[in-house]
Amino acid sequence: ETGVTQSPTHLIKTRGQQVTLRCSSQSGHNTVSWYQQALGQGPQFIFQYYREEENGRGNFPPRFSGLQFPNYSSELNVNALELDDSALYLCASSLGAGPGTEAFFGQGTRLTVV
Amino acid sequence: KQEVTQIPAALSVPEGENLVLNCSFTDSAIYNLQWFRQDPGKGLTSLLLIQSSQREQTSGRLNASLDKSSGRSTLYIAASQPGDSATYLCAAISYNTDKLIFGTGTRLQVFP
Repeated sequence: ETGVTQSPTHLIKTRGQQVTLRCSSQSGHNTVSWYQQALGQGPQFIFQYYREEENGRGNFPPRFSGLQFPNYSSELNVNALELDDSALYLCASSLGAGPGTEAFFGQGTRLTVV
Repeated sequence: KQEVTQIPAALSVPEGENLVLNCSFTDSAIYNLQWFRQDPGKGLTSLLLIQSSQREQTSGRLNASLDKSSGRSTLYIAASQPGDSATYLCAAISYNTDKLIFGTGTRLQVFP
């Protein structure tokens, strides 16, 4: 089991609401990436944070935003929730932001929007 | 734009069989390729990471190979066990990006 922890594990929200998901990176890792995994699909890259700065973003609207804190933990915020936002949200941490670094994933947060 | 495809989408085999899972990618300029295991509703467990300079990696009963010229990677599982039942995902990182591009996975069931 990796040292990446996510909270909460499950969440139910109503369409239009806002949600915050949290991720604690593995000890020593300074980079956090967020992915969205719809049912039956592979994870899709949302964005990456490296040393508290956004370092790359996938094809997601601005209502998906994030933060990284000085201890390298991270938050994913989603505003104006839509039904299609229902998915497993995965956080991955790595040492460094370069392409050669191995990513370690948490157990995910299952978000259901009703 | 990198695209990753995995075939087959699902596989059901009896215990003890050796099996091969396939992963194809369109952009051969990859930096590395990573194989993951995912149990239902759970996160991803990293199995093997192959860097572009490597041809294969081995861990226990698992062996992953990489052929950049043909845009393919395979995951070989020897002597499969019911505990191997899960979805297996491959993901590539290209030189011009540091995000993982995932395939849709192969759902494996190993029955006793």
